Amino acid sequence: DTGVSQNPRHKITKRGQNVTFRCDPISEHNRLYWYRQTLGQGPEFLTYFQNEAQLEKSRLLSDRFSAERPKGSFSTLEIQRTEQGDSAMYLCASTVYRGGHNEQFFGPGTRLTVL
Amino acid sequence: GESVGLHLPTLSVQEGDNSIINCAYSNSASDYFIWYKQESGKGPQFIIDIRSNMDKRQGQRVTVLLNKTVKHLSLQIAATQPGDSAVYFCAENKGGAQKLVFGQGTRLTINP
Repeated sequence: DTGVSQNPRHKITKRGQNVTFRCDPISEHNRLYWYRQTLGQGPEFLTYFQNEAQLEKSRLLSDRFSAERPKGSFSTLEIQRTEQGDSAMYLCASTVYRGGHNEQFFGPGTRLTVL
Repeated sequence: GESVGLHLPTLSVQEGDNSIINCAYSNSASDYFIWYKQESGKGPQFIIDIRSNMDKRQGQRVTVLLNKTVKHLSLQIAATQPGDSAVYFCAENKGGAQKLVFGQGTRLTINP
């Protein structure tokens, strides 16, 4: 257990429905990242926050995806009008940024299945 | 585009033997590299990291070697144990956002 929690752990939904995932990072970590991982592949960067500011979004993050971190603590990732191609593991990671490089701690992920 | 790749998708070793997992990267601007272990149904777990100003770093039973000349990274696991069975990913980062670029992964299987 890294201290990063994600909920729910599993989500099954029908195509066209909206889903929302939550990530609770390690409390003193000011940077929070979202990644997507499909079967047999490594995680792919989606977006990241420093405190409450969303500083970068990948081109993988279509306009159906939105992420928030309203108080600089937990974050949510919403997918609207889900498609079968959205089926993947969604991973959250956090780190404390002090300059230089710091280890990112990953949560257990939310596995999304779109039927 | 720039990417981090792995030479072998699967590796089987006998329990107690040493394992070597290799990784090639293409972004010469990358200055930080990490190895993660991922067990089934879990998120990636940090194993060891190395900065580009180093060529070797040792941890508990693990050693990472970095060869910047040929853009090659390796993870050595000594005296493998059944609990080492997992998928291993190398990842690179080149500062700024510190977003990680992962390779495809190598599945390590430990035979009894």
